[in-house]
Amino acid sequence: DAKTTQPPSMDCAEGRAANLPCNHSTISGNEYVYWYRQIHSQGPQYIIHGLKNNETNEMASLIITEDRKSSTLILPHATLRDTAVYYCIVRVIGNQFYFGTGTSLTVIP
Amino acid sequence: DTEVTQTPKHLVMGMTNKKSLKCEQHMGHRAMYWYKQKAKKPPELMFVYSYEKLSINESVPSRFSPECPNSSLLNLHLHALQPEDSALYLCASSQVGADNSPLHFGNGTRLTVT
Repeated sequence: DAKTTQPPSMDCAEGRAANLPCNHSTISGNEYVYWYRQIHSQGPQYIIHGLKNNETNEMASLIITEDRKSSTLILPHATLRDTAVYYCIVRVIGNQFYFGTGTSLTVIP
Repeated sequence: DTEVTQTPKHLVMGMTNKKSLKCEQHMGHRAMYWYKQKAKKPPELMFVYSYEKLSINESVPSRFSPECPNSSLLNLHLHALQPEDSALYLCASSQVGADNSPLHFGNGTRLTVT
């Protein structure tokens, strides 16, 4: 069962920051939040994950609210190659990763 | 490029055929997964293997039969499929026992059932 909800689509201007929200209000205290993206006809690509602290890597930043009921993935300077479907996932204990419905991000030149 | 290799990339089969999908990884991961993805939908979990033993079966019909012959290989045997089983089948792997270990996906096998 999906434990996350995301807006179905978003647009972002090239070079601007893309902020993708995710709601995971039923998350348990020890369940991690993961973000993946999928470009058409390829397998999902790992972006970033976190538990309760904000995280940053070379691809993106992840902001998790203090109550852990929502998070935001930030792509700091969106490029055309960032056009993809972005999935927010909660990992349930026991190696179970359940995908939400995803957000289709379109980066506009 | 991906560290999880799936073969074949494309497969067309009739409803009476028997075929197998193969997945291989050499990252030392001991958890392996099968997902099914229909067009414009998110991946749906089918099976999870942990230490070569089936740990999760998400009520998948018996015409799909998974097999994990060793820690690097994962197969999905297909028999008597229906046209609605046409989809992208994704394999993934991860570490076991590390709650923050991400999934690593292959690029999938696109299956068409005629």
